Amino acid sequence: GIQVEQSPPDLILQEGANSTLRCNFSDSVNNLQWFHQNPWGQLINLFYIPSGTKQNGRLSATTVATERYSLLYISSSQTTDSGVYFCAVGGSGTYKYIFGTGTRLKVLA
Amino acid sequence: DGGITQSPKYLFRKEGQNVTLSCEQNLNHDAMYWYRQDPGQGLRLIYYSQIVNDFQKGDIAEGYSVSREKKESFPLTVTSAQKNPTAFYLCASSPSQGARDTEAFFGQGTRLTVV
Repeated sequence: GIQVEQSPPDLILQEGANSTLRCNFSDSVNNLQWFHQNPWGQLINLFYIPSGTKQNGRLSATTVATERYSLLYISSSQTTDSGVYFCAVGGSGTYKYIFGTGTRLKVLA
Repeated sequence: DGGITQSPKYLFRKEGQNVTLSCEQNLNHDAMYWYRQDPGQGLRLIYYSQIVNDFQKGDIAEGYSVSREKKESFPLTVTSAQKNPTAFYLCASSPSQGARDTEAFFGQGTRLTVV
C-alpha cells in the first residue's frame, strides 16, 4: 500500500516565524488532505489539495503529484497554530485514506 | 448545521465487555470511515464503507465490527476480542470516489478507556 512520510516529526518555533512541513508519498494519489489536530483531538480540515496550490490566510499548500510530495506553509506563526499536522492520501480506485505520522508543532510566545 | 456527530465523547469499558460507538452524519456522504489513534501516533484505518449495506476491513479490523444499515449511520462495536481497545476513535465521511471533490470530514472523536 501507499506509504506516507511527514517531516520534520517535531518543530518548535518562535511566534512570528515561518515554517514548511513536508509530506512524501510512495505512489500516485487521487486525494490529499492536510489536517490540524488541536489539543482536544479534533481534526480540522486545512486543505483538500490532490494537486496544485491553495492559500487560506496565513496558510498555503502545494502538491506536486508527479513528484509525489506536498508542502504546507505556515507564515507568521501564532501560538494557536500549535498542535499536530497530518497529511492523508487516497490512492486511485480506493476509498482508503492513509495518514502520515504527523508533524508536532509548538509555537512559543 | 451539517456535520458528523460521534457519541459518547468519553466511554469506559470493563474488560470482557462489548461497547458500541455511534457515528452519524448529515452531509449526505456515501462513504464513512472509522480510525483509531493511539497516544502520540497517527491514525489507522479500522473499517470503511462505500455505500449502505457494504463495508470493508481496513488495516486493523481484528476485534472490531461495524454495520451500515442507513446512509447516515456507521456504528463501531469494540468487542471483547480486541486486546488493547484503549484509544481515541475517530469517524469520518466523504463523498463517493466518483465525485469531483472527495474531501473527508471528521467527527470530534470518542475516547475509550478500559478499566
